[in-house]
Amino acid sequence: SQQGEEDPQALSIQEGENATMNCSYKTSINNLQWYRQNSGRGLVHLILIRSNEREKHSGRLRVTLDTSKKSSSLLITASRAADTASYFCATVNTGFQKLVFGTGTRLLVSP
Amino acid sequence: DAGVTQSPTHLIKTRGQQVTLRCSPKSGHDTVSWYQQALGQGPQFIFQYYEEEERQRGNFPDRFSGHQFPNYSSELNVNALLLGDSALYLCASSSNRDSTNEKLFFGSGTQLSVL
Repeated sequence: SQQGEEDPQALSIQEGENATMNCSYKTSINNLQWYRQNSGRGLVHLILIRSNEREKHSGRLRVTLDTSKKSSSLLITASRAADTASYFCATVNTGFQKLVFGTGTRLLVSP
Repeated sequence: DAGVTQSPTHLIKTRGQQVTLRCSPKSGHDTVSWYQQALGQGPQFIFQYYEEEERQRGNFPDRFSGHQFPNYSSELNVNALLLGDSALYLCASSSNRDSTNEKLFFGSGTQLSVL
């Protein structure tokens, strides 16, 4: 079963615009991670935020975490056509070591 | 430094057959996890292997089994294939020795089609 759900399911924007994706999850977590997947192949780790952190930055990526609302958001600033991909949030539950993935957001960035 | 490698990349089987998928983890990694990803869905956790033993298992039937070898490579076996087993099978590796390194490194996957 999926732990989280991403919102929106699909997002279409123009190059240079910002893209925001949201993730909600159900149980207490140790950390939350975001992954990117191109064309249904392997996933690439983007960023990890721990349960005691509220915001984290990496290049054009900004992730926030609200454990009281069991939600996270991923912001991609100044998007590029190469950012076109599916983005998944994944959680590591307290006491477990497996990653549980959400349903994903398909991002399309048009030139 | 090779990343996670999976073989084969594509596979076509018929219902009732058995299949074996293979994975070599990233150099220095000792833990292998397997995921099933149906079209349009997120990856679903099948199981995780560490020290040649299954450490955790997701909600998959016993038809799904695995193995880890002393060199940390792993196999995923699926018996009595069903049409619903058609999916992308992803292998991911990580290091249990580095507790701060919790992220997974994924292979490119094996696309299994069951006819």
